[in-house]
Amino acid sequence: DGGITQSPKYLFRKEGQNVTLSCEQNLNHDAMYWYRQDPGQGLRLIYYSQIVNDFQKGDIAEGYSVSREKKESFPLTVTSAQKNPTAFYLCASSDPGQGSYEQYFGPGTRLTVT
Amino acid sequence: QKEVEQNSGPLSVPEGAIASLNCTYSDRGSQSFFWYRQYSGKSPELIMFIYSNGDKEDGRFTAQLNKASQYVSLLIRDSQPSDSATYLCAVIDSWGKLQFGAGTQVVVTP
Repeated sequence: DGGITQSPKYLFRKEGQNVTLSCEQNLNHDAMYWYRQDPGQGLRLIYYSQIVNDFQKGDIAEGYSVSREKKESFPLTVTSAQKNPTAFYLCASSDPGQGSYEQYFGPGTRLTVT
Repeated sequence: QKEVEQNSGPLSVPEGAIASLNCTYSDRGSQSFFWYRQYSGKSPELIMFIYSNGDKEDGRFTAQLNKASQYVSLLIRDSQPSDSATYLCAVIDSWGKLQFGAGTQVVVTP
């Protein structure tokens, strides 16, 4: 049963704490992405990775960090430097090497920082 | 100017009618176009993609692409209450980056 999993579904943190969101895929996709979605807004790209051990900043990378040590995994750390971290975080993957540019999304993690 | 523009809605559609959603994009070099459906509190789900000018049909959904006019549309025939959701238009621009519109909320009324 192929897909993308994100955990946890809901996450609550105090201001000033770093937090790591998990994203795992078993689709054998090369590319993985992290997006942020705020109420009534579209998706904004935080970071993306097209291959293991390589990643690039998206439009709103400040205050976030990622790693890509394994093809299946692309965790996102929300650091205390992120000014407004409360949001819905979505992980996605795609397989552009096979000419397939559509991205498939995990179920998301809703982060609340107080 | 945003890269991808959509009317935010809500678009109210009677059950059984056709819902028509429009999307315009600014990058003339864009090549690939996608429609995602997002239910409230859930993640986006890919429902259609189109790469060539013209129409592409899949069940009750039809995507229409006009590259000269830089718009892509989605028609939902025989709208059902389960079609009530936000529909996101997404475009891969000439830099290879997927750009999303803010979405159009569709409400199907019985």
